[in-house]
Amino acid sequence: LAKTTQPISMDSYEGQEVNITCSHNNIATNDYITWYQQFPSQGPRFIIQGYKTKVTNEVASLFIPADRKSSTLSLPRVSLSDTAVYYCLVGSQGGKLIFGQGTELSVKP
Amino acid sequence: GAVVSQHPSWVICKSGTSVKIECRSLDFQATTMFWYRQFPKQSLMLMATSNEGSKATYEQGVEKDKFLINHASLTLSTLTVTSAHPEDSSFYICSARDPGGAAEQFFGPGTRLTVL
Repeated sequence: LAKTTQPISMDSYEGQEVNITCSHNNIATNDYITWYQQFPSQGPRFIIQGYKTKVTNEVASLFIPADRKSSTLSLPRVSLSDTAVYYCLVGSQGGKLIFGQGTELSVKP
Repeated sequence: GAVVSQHPSWVICKSGTSVKIECRSLDFQATTMFWYRQFPKQSLMLMATSNEGSKATYEQGVEKDKFLINHASLTLSTLTVTSAHPEDSSFYICSARDPGGAAEQFFGPGTRLTVL
């Protein structure tokens, strides 16, 4: 499974757009990129998944460059409730997900 | 989306006792479930893969005799922490994937175990 590198923490203010970038230099051809969100004392929640280019849903957008060695999760107009830890995961081995350190996003008023 | 539940949501026990945590897929059948452990301010660590009708597969460094996993039905996996000690205090989370649905995994709400 490809190793991922994300910033440990990020700060933002309400209403701003937040972009969290994840590096995954060793991504395999068949690997998808998935982002999860976790609030304290809760299980992770799926946000978005993509393979290449751009994916958008009602919550976020995921930008993946042509070489797929990185990806950027974009959260439009964040609110206080978006304060959480965001995990970037690449691939899965028989369904197993290996979590990296994640990015702790703090949204301030 | 699919729902995964856990019971109990929190438990406090005395050192040396055993604790059972249940993980259920509520609206789908899961032949495979996963168990994670998370210490404060740390990421999730995969402990084992629970396979319906067969033995669980444990990650390196996880004691299979201490963390007993049983996956007796397509909707239920249990994790028993045997002879629990304070260092076993942690947040335990299970997950499952709906084989008939989307690719993402669904996680339970977690169980907070505190061993006194």
